[in-house]
Amino acid sequence: QAQLQESGPGLLRPSETLSLTCTVSGASIMNYHWSWIRQSPGKGLEWIGYIYYSGSSDYNPSLKSRVTMSVDTSKSQFCLKMNSVTAADTAVYYCARAVAAGYWFFDLWGRGSLVTVSS
Amino acid sequence: DIQMTQSPSSVSASVGDRVTITCRASQVISTWLGWYQQKPGKAPKLLIYAASSLQSGVPSRFSGSESETDFTLTISSLQPEDSATYYCQQANNFPLTFGGGTKVEIK
Repeated sequence: QAQLQESGPGLLRPSETLSLTCTVSGASIMNYHWSWIRQSPGKGLEWIGYIYYSGSSDYNPSLKSRVTMSVDTSKSQFCLKMNSVTAADTAVYYCARAVAAGYWFFDLWGRGSLVTVSS
Repeated sequence: DIQMTQSPSSVSASVGDRVTITCRASQVISTWLGWYQQKPGKAPKLLIYAASSLQSGVPSRFSGSESETDFTLTISSLQPEDSATYYCQQANNFPLTFGGGTKVEIK
């Protein structure tokens, strides 16, 4: 049974770097596009960006200057880094799999990781 | 960015009722529209993709349709387990964007 699991610190101070890892189990990380999506009470669901198993990526322009994604196929993991966080980045962060190339719908989600930014 | 506007923001209906949720895109997105169900404390679950295709394992009481930039999710006979928030998402252009959600409650 395919599963995604997010991991990373739950509490950050303003200006720090958010770092999350998504571990893929029960499914191949190859040949899929993997995304990060966040959900906050104020902004609802927001797509952060995607990374392909080959390493190609694209990000939401609203976050592009602060976001980097990477993938490690040997560990079946992909990662999100977001620098210079503020309280506005407080949210539940989900990793998710796109159904297929060109089909940007998400059929597999992690449980979510709550990240709180507070001084 | 493409704006996705959902209505209503909430609906209360009885078991067995037909429930309709609408999502309007700010520009043409063809059939690149998905619907998700989210229950409290859980991740969203894909119900419908490509406007009207039922995701595997989803009950047939859920259906989707489209008319230009207007999209509809219909629950033909509401069940207690359908109490949740429903979101639409456009998959036509980056950045991908979601609607604001519709909360469905059981009377």
